[in-house]
Amino acid sequence: GQQLNQSPQSMFIQEGEDVSMNCTSSSIFNTWLWYKQEPGEGPVLLIALYKAGELTSNGRLTAQFGITRKDSFLNISASIPSDVGIYFCAGQDSGGSNYKLTFGKGTLLTVNP
Amino acid sequence: EADIYQTPRYLVIGTGKKITLECSQTMGHDKMYWYQQDPGMELHLIHYSYGVNSTEKGDLSSESTVSRIRTEHFPLTLESARPSHTSQYLCASSAVGGHTIYFGEGSWLTVV
Repeated sequence: GQQLNQSPQSMFIQEGEDVSMNCTSSSIFNTWLWYKQEPGEGPVLLIALYKAGELTSNGRLTAQFGITRKDSFLNISASIPSDVGIYFCAGQDSGGSNYKLTFGKGTLLTVNP
Repeated sequence: EADIYQTPRYLVIGTGKKITLECSQTMGHDKMYWYQQDPGMELHLIHYSYGVNSTEKGDLSSESTVSRIRTEHFPLTLESARPSHTSQYLCASSAVGGHTIYFGEGSWLTVV
């Protein structure tokens, strides 16, 4: 099946720093989604990207849909302690099977105050 | 904000017991999903449904079963729980033609 390579696996940063994480795939996706999951909770949708090259912001978060449709990145600016959590990318393929997402393995973000 | 609810949130049961995890959504979404996630790991699709009376198995083999008798309800059942079933189970839904999947808060199942 399809696989997403998400990196880095974990990040330890100081409050106020910017963060960048990305996902790459060997397959083309027609949608990229970024989720944040806090301990004991379900993933919460942060940003959805629907077109190649699309750059979308949600507050301090910015995500881009790569022009090759095989990658996406998420940036968090001026991190704060509540940004702590696991960030997952997810891709939806272009084969008409729009019921399924392929998830990356997640990036664990720790923010030191 | 997504309106999708899972119960119970946390459950500890003995081996061999039957358990049903409930999932309901109030958004009128036709598509619903169950994902399984071990702590700190990625999500794996175990069941999905396109609509009432439609259920399919996902990418990860699971001994659980699901039913979809009503649009808003997608329960998952384990007939005989085993310790290997210990995991977090996440229910999700999306609209027809919609690419965005919304998740519930999850049900943490521990089988002892």
